Amino acid sequence: KQEVTQIPAALSVPEGENLVLNCSFTDSAIYNLQWFRQDPGKGLTSLLLIQSSQREQTSGRLNASLDKSSGRSTLYIAASQPGDSATYLCAVRSSGYSTLTFGKGTMLLVSP
Amino acid sequence: ETGVTQTPRHLVMGMTNKKSLKCEQHLGHNAMYWYKQSAKKPLELMFVYSLEERVENNSVPSRFSPECPNSSHLFLHLHTLQPEDSALYLCASSQDYGTDTQYFGPGTRLTVL
Repeated sequence: KQEVTQIPAALSVPEGENLVLNCSFTDSAIYNLQWFRQDPGKGLTSLLLIQSSQREQTSGRLNASLDKSSGRSTLYIAASQPGDSATYLCAVRSSGYSTLTFGKGTMLLVSP
Repeated sequence: ETGVTQTPRHLVMGMTNKKSLKCEQHLGHNAMYWYKQSAKKPLELMFVYSLEERVENNSVPSRFSPECPNSSHLFLHLHTLQPEDSALYLCASSQDYGTDTQYFGPGTRLTVL
């Protein structure tokens, strides 16, 4: 059974810092991995999706990497802003027609 | 705005009440999902519908009853719930089952007294 772990559970940084969020998964036979953002009391917004054949994906100040063999992904946020404050969730799809397994998330607070 | 709407946004109910959560997607997708998000636990998949047929039911208690009358609408009927069922219930849709990015609604915050 796939398990997804996110470290740290919470992170507080001053505005402008570059930061890294970590995600690990126990079964390396994945189809793809997604990073989501969730604002308090709201639904999830997909940020980046990395297919198993890819090493990284970039969108603006966000860069997600995937190392399938070691069961790890990182989300790099450059020049953090207060608007980046949210919970970031990592989710893994283990095969082409299965559903997503989510981590508990990392709660990020960026202070002005 | 993701194209997935949920009503109500907040719901408080007693353990003997019967209520329903509604989800509607305006994206022309074929698959719809119900998730439960409890405090300090990972998002849990409850049900999946593909082309209006239920394809997954992840050991969800019978006090939760899903209904998918058409590909745009998904309901979750609730009856005789327990306080531990209090959570954020999220609906999502994707173009097809299991292969594409899911688009989430804002959720219904449910409190069971």
